[in-house]
Parts: sequence; structure tokens; C-alpha cells
Amino acid sequence: AQSVTQLDSQVPVFEEAPVELRCNYSSSVSVYLFWYVQYPNQGLQLLLKYLSGSTLVKGINGFEAEFNKSQTSFHLRKPSVHISDTAEYFCAVSPGGYQKVTFGTGTKLQVIP
Amino acid sequence: EAGVAQSPRYKIIEKRQSVAFWCNPISGHATLYWYQQILGQGPKLLIQFQNNGVVDDSQLPKDRFSAERLKGVDSTLKIQPAKLEDSAVYLCASSLGGTGLLKNTEAFFGQGTRLTVV
Repeated sequence: AQSVTQLDSQVPVFEEAPVELRCNYSSSVSVYLFWYVQYPNQGLQLLLKYLSGSTLVKGINGFEAEFNKSQTSFHLRKPSVHISDTAEYFCAVSPGGYQKVTFGTGTKLQVIP
Repeated sequence: EAGVAQSPRYKIIEKRQSVAFWCNPISGHATLYWYQQILGQGPKLLIQFQNNGVVDDSQLPKDRFSAERLKGVDSTLKIQPAKLEDSAVYLCASSLGGTGLLKNTEAFFGQGTRLTVV
């Protein structure tokens, strides 16, 4: 079985400040990890994914995440946020590619002007 | 490239009524997913198709939910009869699918159908 924990349900941050959205996972097998973004009344869009290789993953819109196997974490970071980054962010885990993906409960990022 | 199309965007029904949602995946995508997203929660996979066959329906409440993808292209998800707790956004997604390296291709999501059961 696998699970994802996003401890922060909401994260307010001022525009141009850095942000980190936390994600921890548990799994009995090797995992693939994802971050998705969901804008209001929209579907989910893939930000980035870790399948193998380098543990630092760069995604779209200036986001990056680091896979830490020992801490079972996959935190999402951006050095300087913009108003347009206001959205809900979901961390997800899969035992293999896009099969049986389990999503976390989401973190709402609110960028304050 | 056209994205995943879903209809309707919104639906309000009374409990015990039936409802159906439609999804047209991206052309050429073999794998199709239906997710349920309850307010305040992450999406939960209901069913996954590979072409017209079911790969995973372990979390589909089969006493009231059904889904089909008869020709391996578009798909319908039906709820009959609906309960209050079925109020959610129903998301459809598709990916190239396949095996091996193709297994790791990105899943693209539609805008979803927001269902309210009153």
C-alpha cells in the first residue's frame, strides 16, 4: 500500500518570496513521484515528476522538487512566486509510472500581492 | 492538439436519480482514467481502461457506479442511484499508455464535471 501526506492545507506567501510545499510518502516498493497543479475550475496539470535518475527535478513555471529517499519526502520549491501561482498543488505517488496513482489531499498556495 | 473533453461541466440532481458523464480522450491515447475528487480531498482513481478493457476498478462502488469504453475511445461514467456523498468533481484523464517505456507517459486531465446531489 502507498500513501501521501501533505501536512499544510494552506500556505500564504507574499509575491516574490520563496515557497516550499511539503510532501511525504510511504510505500513498500520503489515509487514514482509527481506534483500536479490545479487552477480554479480546471483539471490537473503535471508540474514535474520523478521516475529515476537525478533526485533534483525541475518542472514547469520555475518549480523544482527534490526526492529524498531517506526522509521519504518530495518537497516542491520555487525561489520567487508570482500571483499567477495561486492554485492548489497535489503531490502523488505511484508504484509504476502512471498506474495506480495515489494523490495527497492538496495544499492551497495563496500568493499575496 | 485538442485536450481531454468532458461534458457536462456542471450537473445538479436529486438523490436517487441517475446521471451520466462523458469523456473524449486525446486522440491516440490508449489509457483512460476516471477520478472522483471530493471537496477538500485529492483525486481518487475510480477506474482505469486500457483500450476497451478494464485495468483497475478496485475503488469503483460497483453497486451504483458503472463505466464503459466500448470502442476504446470515448467513455461514459454512470451513477444510479445517486447519493448525497457522490457530490464531487469527476475528472477524466488519458495517456498514451502501453507497456515498457510508454507506460511512463504523462496523463492529461480534462476540466471535470462538478456533480451536486441534493
